[in-house]
Amino acid sequence: KAGVTQTPRYLIKTRGQQVTLSCSPISGHRSVSWYQQTPGQGLQFLFEYFSETQRNKGNFPGRFSGRQFSNSRSEMNVSTLELGDSALYLCASSSGQKEMNTEAFFGQGTRLTVV
Amino acid sequence: AQSVTQLDSQVPVFEEAPVELRCNYSSSVSVYLFWYVQYPNQGLQLLLKYLSGSTLVESINGFEAEFNKSQTSFHLRKPSVHISDTAEYFCARGSGGSNYKLTFGKGTLLTVNP
Repeated sequence: KAGVTQTPRYLIKTRGQQVTLSCSPISGHRSVSWYQQTPGQGLQFLFEYFSETQRNKGNFPGRFSGRQFSNSRSEMNVSTLELGDSALYLCASSSGQKEMNTEAFFGQGTRLTVV
Repeated sequence: AQSVTQLDSQVPVFEEAPVELRCNYSSSVSVYLFWYVQYPNQGLQLLLKYLSGSTLVESINGFEAEFNKSQTSFHLRKPSVHISDTAEYFCARGSGGSNYKLTFGKGTLLTVNP
């Protein structure tokens, strides 16, 4: 069973540009969550999509957005990049069912560097 | 707001020594707790989880954690560590009946020295 795939693994962008990151969940999983990891703030929840609908949202500015496709693949977009957006962006996949005995599986992340 | 506190940012130990990584959570009616491990340049791997039932949960690689409701703690322990256990460990809790909106602690870097 293939794991969670995030592309690209590494990315360098310039301030003011925009960027799109991709996440392919485990086959059969319908929930995709995104997290930002930085040395200062740690791991912070960005948003979660289930069946193409945003179901939960963290406390990030509107420059951070996402979407989910009918095959459950998800993309997140950051517009007008700032230096502080440099981080490891992690995607997590789960079945999305409300039962708590389902766990979240994480991808290897996309390392974004803004210069 | 729900929170998770990891009391130690770094824990250095010698190989084959016991270790305890501490985690406290803010009290709530229902609590779902997890420990994840992150190796350098990797994503997070689930070590173990507490959902309900037995307060002592174990992982396949020798780690265990005990859910203590009165002390609002979920400390991670291993009786004898290996060099390969060197990694960052994150305590997390599920939110609002789901495990796909996780609140993480700041992490504890475990360094196992020979």
